[in-house]
Amino acid sequence: QKEVEQDPGPLSVPEGAIVSLNCTYSNSAFQYFMWYRQYSRKGPELLMYTYSSGNKEDGRFTAQVDKSSKYISLFIRDSQPSDSATYLCAMRKADSWGKLQFGAGTQVVVTP
Amino acid sequence: GAVVSQHPSWVICKSGTSVKIECRSLDFQATTMFWYRQFPKQSLMLMATSNEGSKATYEQGVEKDKFLINHASLTLSTLTVTSAHPEDSSFYICSAKDRLETDTQYFGPGTRLTVL
Repeated sequence: QKEVEQDPGPLSVPEGAIVSLNCTYSNSAFQYFMWYRQYSRKGPELLMYTYSSGNKEDGRFTAQVDKSSKYISLFIRDSQPSDSATYLCAMRKADSWGKLQFGAGTQVVVTP
Repeated sequence: GAVVSQHPSWVICKSGTSVKIECRSLDFQATTMFWYRQFPKQSLMLMATSNEGSKATYEQGVEKDKFLINHASLTLSTLTVTSAHPEDSSFYICSAKDRLETDTQYFGPGTRLTVL
């Protein structure tokens, strides 16, 4: 069993809809959680970084962390075709700076 | 924002040859750089952690003699794939930590290696 599970998709949504992404993990030692966006043939770009359980909002993006359920989510409101990309969740343990464990990534397609 | 570059962006080589990939932090000093590889439709897998001026730390299962890492300065790390074989074909991505920031990695654009 992988430490971090993420549905690879593809997830297709119409422009303007809410994109809902999630990851589950098995190791309760993970304390820091990130979401990255990766366009084809490009490196990942950090979108959201969270530590505690709860919600964090930044513009059209909302990240949720539920440590009790070992479940994290990313919501993208008012989706645009430019949001079409692969979204990777990542997480790390408190004492393992830099050693990120990535999910497989979910491909998102926003259709005009 | 912080920028990390990689060179080359893609390379095709013959089996048995060695390939060097450069990772540079352009506008910040990186005490630590990371090297990942990514297969199509799969996640990034950490290969090694590179600290400036010291030997790299390799993840389990990564051959250190196959993937040579050098981090000679605060802005440059190199990954050399020695005696490359077709199974080494992959997307190699580096990331760098700004020494002034606590917990942020900036990723390079990646290098696509194809070994014939």
